[in-house]
Amino acid sequence: AQSVTQLDSQVPVFEEAPVELRCNYSSSVSVYLFWYVQYPNQGLQLLLKYLSGSTLVESINGFEAEFNKSQTSFHLRKPSVHISDTAEYFCAVSGYNQGGKLIFGQGTELSVKP
Amino acid sequence: GAVVSQHPSWVICKSGTSVKIECRSLDFQATTMFWYRQFPKQSLMLMATSNEGSKATYEQGVEKDKFLINHASLTLSTLTVTSAHPEDSSFYICSADIQQGYEQYFGPGTRLTVT
Repeated sequence: AQSVTQLDSQVPVFEEAPVELRCNYSSSVSVYLFWYVQYPNQGLQLLLKYLSGSTLVESINGFEAEFNKSQTSFHLRKPSVHISDTAEYFCAVSGYNQGGKLIFGQGTELSVKP
Repeated sequence: GAVVSQHPSWVICKSGTSVKIECRSLDFQATTMFWYRQFPKQSLMLMATSNEGSKATYEQGVEKDKFLINHASLTLSTLTVTSAHPEDSSFYICSADIQQGYEQYFGPGTRLTVT
């Protein structure tokens, strides 16, 4: 079985500041890792994913996450946030051969202030 | 591409009635769809895995007789909340598996309010 822990429930930051949203996971099998973003009253949108290969993955809007197997982490970072980045961010894990089932963390509310 | 729709987007029903929520993959075929439930300010909880042409697999603690799932075609899965009660009020989200576990695309969600 897998579990995901997002260490911060809320992260307030000022516009153009850097941000890191933390995610740790536990699993007895190898995993795929995902970050999803959810805007109010909407479904989830995939931000980025790690399947294999390079441990650093990037999204098209400036976010990046690094898979650290030894620390079982997949933290999300952005060097300079915008007001439009305000949303709920979910880290999720899927175990190999688990039929695609996603286990989500509790979510982190990113609030970007001017 | 890879668009998933849900209908209705919101619904209000009276206690004791049943409500059907549709999940459609608009531009691809999905052999597997998932149904999640999300309470306000909380994470998504997987309710069940829906496979086309077979019975759904429910997660532990989810009542299969209350939450009926049908995956009749490669583009449509339905969730029926039977004999709804106020505690069933929630945001229900479906997703479609597009790459056999490598990626899921999510619908916009359906907000159910039971009065």
